[in-house]
Amino acid sequence: KNQVEQSPQSLIILEGKNCTLQCNYTVSPFSNLRWYKQDTGRGPVSLTIMTFSENTKSNGRYTATLDADTKQSSLHITASQLSDSASYICVVIMKTSYDKVIFGPGTSLSVIP
Amino acid sequence: DAGVIQSPRHEVTEMGQEVTLRCKPISGHNSLFWYRQTMMRGLELLIYFNNNVPIDDSGMPEDRFSAKMPNASFSTLKIQPSEPRDSAVYFCASSSGTDLSYEQYFGPGTRLTVT
Repeated sequence: KNQVEQSPQSLIILEGKNCTLQCNYTVSPFSNLRWYKQDTGRGPVSLTIMTFSENTKSNGRYTATLDADTKQSSLHITASQLSDSASYICVVIMKTSYDKVIFGPGTSLSVIP
Repeated sequence: DAGVIQSPRHEVTEMGQEVTLRCKPISGHNSLFWYRQTMMRGLELLIYFNNNVPIDDSGMPEDRFSAKMPNASFSTLKIQPSEPRDSAVYFCASSSGTDLSYEQYFGPGTRLTVT
């Protein structure tokens, strides 16, 4: 079954600290993986998009990694800020006759002062 | 650019009524996506269009849901008749590519409450 799992479900960290969010998937055939940030009451915003051949991609303080062999991805946030408080959603695109999108359930991150 | 525009932002209606949600994609984008988000099910892709043509509507929950894209700058998602379980936030997104591989830009969403 094509699934995307994320851990932890929720996380609370102190401002300035680093954290890492995990995403495991069983989607096949794989096209690409993306991380979205969704602030409360807003639409998701794309952080990174990674294809099969990419291992690491950065966007400011956000760094995503992808291991296509183990079907795992992580999103590392460096020097967290209060504005990083949001839900982070891992999404995998499945390549078939037309693309299919599989969403993870998200990780809720709270950064506290 | 104003980004993806959705209207209304909030809609409250009674069960059995028809609901129409509207979306204006980013100018020049040729793909448009409708999503639904609930606490229980998370984000779900309902349907997407490429060059105004529906490509995949397998996510549309049932025949009560229909979507149209009469031109490149406008799309509607209609629910008729609405039911309480349709209560959710509905997002529209657009991209400059022809499939799901391209970056998508989401609108602010329409929060629908069916009583």
